[in-house]
Amino acid sequence: DTAVSQTPKYLVTQMGNDKSIKCEQNLGHDTMYWYKQDSKKFLKIMFSYNNKELIINETVPNRFSPKSPDKAHLNLHINSLELGDSAVYFCASSQGPTGELFFGEGSRLTVL
Amino acid sequence: AQSVAQPEDQVNVAEGNPLTVKCTYSVSGNPYLFWYVQYPNRGLQFLLKYITGDNLVKGSYGFEAEFNKSQTSFHLKKPSALVSDSALYFCAATDSWGKLQFGAGTQVVVTP
Repeated sequence: DTAVSQTPKYLVTQMGNDKSIKCEQNLGHDTMYWYKQDSKKFLKIMFSYNNKELIINETVPNRFSPKSPDKAHLNLHINSLELGDSAVYFCASSQGPTGELFFGEGSRLTVL
Repeated sequence: AQSVAQPEDQVNVAEGNPLTVKCTYSVSGNPYLFWYVQYPNRGLQFLLKYITGDNLVKGSYGFEAEFNKSQTSFHLKKPSALVSDSALYFCAATDSWGKLQFGAGTQVVVTP
């Protein structure tokens, strides 16, 4: 059983479209995250939820909207996609905000 | 705000030789320190962490790291590198609020 699973693994889309990435964890963790990894492999936190409550919201365009329907799920919706949104998006979870992170395999978004 | 520096973009080592990957951090208060490894096209995997206690922390796959408070460093070490250790290594740090900051990553290349 995959601990943190995210879908889809690959997304290729046109500028201006809207897309969603889904994430689920079966580890019983209470904290979930979205990270963006750019082409130079820099990792930047975007959002963090603890028990469905948003606790970290970095300087991210409001075209990005996370939604956590329950503790085990954290989805990411992106409106009006731009070329600069092309990256690999990682979902992760932890037990508490200082626990070690368990990462999904990533969703590679390519905006044409 | 916390920050993490990994001064080497790449470390080259021959198989069987000791491996060291450097990391320094800046965290207000007591730091929580982590090392993660990323293989190509995969999510990050947790290797080890320091929260409190012994300065020498042992982790997965024979890796260890030494916490040095006076030098604000947390270098990753392995006594005898394997070709399969070739990967991208990330150091990360946070304070008790849990906003984890990653370093830029160090590519480790182990040659046979």
